Order: sequence, then C-alpha cells, then structure tokens
Amino acid sequence: EAQVTQNPRYLITVTGKKLTVTCSQNMNHEYMSWYRQDPGLGLRQIYYSMNVEVTDKGDVPEGYKVSRKEKRNFPLILESPSPNQTSLYFCASSLIQGALSGANVLTFGAGSRLTVL
Amino acid sequence: AQTVTQSQPEMSVQEAETVTLSCTYDTSESNYYLFWYKQPPSRQMILVIRQEAYKQQNATENRFSVNFQKAAKSFSLKISDSQLGDTAMYFCAFMKLPYSFNKFYFGSGTKLNVKP
Repeated sequence: EAQVTQNPRYLITVTGKKLTVTCSQNMNHEYMSWYRQDPGLGLRQIYYSMNVEVTDKGDVPEGYKVSRKEKRNFPLILESPSPNQTSLYFCASSLIQGALSGANVLTFGAGSRLTVL
Repeated sequence: AQTVTQSQPEMSVQEAETVTLSCTYDTSESNYYLFWYKQPPSRQMILVIRQEAYKQQNATENRFSVNFQKAAKSFSLKISDSQLGDTAMYFCAFMKLPYSFNKFYFGSGTKLNVKP
C-alpha cells in the first residue's frame, strides 16, 4: 500500500529534550515536506526537500532541523523543544511534475501529536 | 504572497442535506491549482477535490463539487446528500503554477458537523 508513515503518533516530552519524528514514504516521491497544524492557523510549512541532500526552509523553520540522506526518509528533528512547538505535525510527499501535469498532489502521513511540557 | 481565507470556522448540516463551504484566496498569479482536503477525526489528510485555474469547468467528484469563480477568487465546496462520514475539518489550499516547489498555502479550516 502506498503510504507515508510517521512515528511516533503521540509524544509527550519536556523542554530541551531532543527528539526526532521520523517520516518514510514508499512511493519513490522526490518531494517531501513537513507541516505543523495549529488551531485557527491551518497548516504551515516547516521544511521541504526536493530530493536527496536538497532541503530548504518553509514558513516556520525556527527550532527545527531536517535531513534527507535517503529518498524515502525525511526526519524532523527538534534539537531543544519548547512549549510553543506543541502541535500536530504532518509529513507529506509527492512526485515533482512540471506545470499542467495534473500531479503535484500531496500524500500525507497520519500526523504526530507532540506535546512539550 | 498568497493567502487563503476560510471565513467559516464551524458549520453544521443535517444528514442528507446540502452544505457549501467557502474559500477565498488572494494571488496575482494566473495559473494555479486549488484543492480541498478533508481531515476526519482520525486526523488523516485526504484529498477531496482539485481544480486547475485554467479550466473553466468546475470539478466534481461524486457528491463533492466546487464553484470556482476565478475573477472573484472564490473556491467553494458543495457537499450534496451529506453523510455522517463527512464530519471532518476541511481545508482549502492553493498552489501556484508554473512549478513552484510544490508550495502549498492552506486556509485555517472549516469544521463540518453532520447531524443525524
């Protein structure tokens, strides 16, 4: 089954304790991205990656790191989590297509609920 | 910068009735995609429908259809014959063309409650 898998689904941690949220896709997608979802704000992009070793900042990258060493994996790293990073996180992936191709549809993971105390 | 506005934080509809969710966007681009995503209580994000701005015809997927008004920059979602399983948060999203690093802009969401 084609899917994006995120782990953990739920995590409660404390301020300053480094954590990693993993993301893996089995669709050979070039593009991967991380979003955070907060009430009243919708989804905001944290980081994205166009391919292996190619990453760039989204709209809210502060406090996050990513890496793309393999095409299928795109982990999100919180080096020193703070309470304002309490949120619902989504990983998503898609093919990279040219204009008017009809693709560019994001496939989302199931989400990771993170609470930082 | 592109912005997407969903002015209805929450809506309710009776089962089997029709409901329309509003979405407006602000862009200077002429070519773009618009999307509606559904997020049920399971939190999974599911694509409902997609519209290419260069297509005049409104997209339709079974009970879901859109009213795309390009000049007004409006992209509303109509759900006909509402079902309990339609209860979810609905997000409107925009992606500009030509190819733009798959940059999506999401609205703040509308929570839809379908009542029996």
